[in-house]
Amino acid sequence: AAGVIQSPRHLIKEKRETATLKCYPIPRHDTVYWYQQGPGQDPQFLISFYEKMQSDKGSIPDRFSAQQFSDYHSELNMSSLELGDSALYFCASSPTGNYGYTFGSGTRLTVV
Amino acid sequence: AQTVTQSQPEMSVQEAETVTLSCTYDTSENNYYLFWYKQPPSRQMILVIRQEAYKQQNATENRFSVNFQKAAKSFSLKISDSQLGDTAMYFCAFMKPNTGNQFYFGTGTSLTVIP
Repeated sequence: AAGVIQSPRHLIKEKRETATLKCYPIPRHDTVYWYQQGPGQDPQFLISFYEKMQSDKGSIPDRFSAQQFSDYHSELNMSSLELGDSALYFCASSPTGNYGYTFGSGTRLTVV
Repeated sequence: AQTVTQSQPEMSVQEAETVTLSCTYDTSENNYYLFWYKQPPSRQMILVIRQEAYKQQNATENRFSVNFQKAAKSFSLKISDSQLGDTAMYFCAFMKPNTGNQFYFGTGTSLTVIP
């Protein structure tokens, strides 16, 4: 069965650089979520999209932005990267009315 | 705001034995969902089991079952016949539907299955 695809799997950036993370949800899943998991931490909700519109916003820094495109894939753009942005970034998707997400394998971002 | 508490940072169990992971939560909502997710060393987040708050019957998925006590706001996970592949971090999560569906996670319990 198709899963949630995230790319890249690993990313190394320098401070103040920009990073773009991509997420391809399971086909027919119309909702996408982004989470950030710092080392030894639980995942923290960043933002979600339903039918290409932002549906909820969590603890996402102003330096970050995200969108969902017409093909339902989503991108998380992160600018002016800081060392503290080093984390595992998960994308998850779900179909309407199903409250169990499917998570992607995550993108591990390291800021040096 | 919703909070989820996992009071056991680390646990271990002998292979083939049974272990229970605890989770409590705080909410004023009546309709919500509770989940247990497993995160093995691969870091993949895998859904283990889900419970709808309006259902009195405890959810069961093969060797995994929950003890859902709504009045006590408790949602423990029981793993029977533990296997080496069960070694992972386990996160309890709360979701209030129709408000963006974001998860509130506990801080996790690291479970080690000992051969």
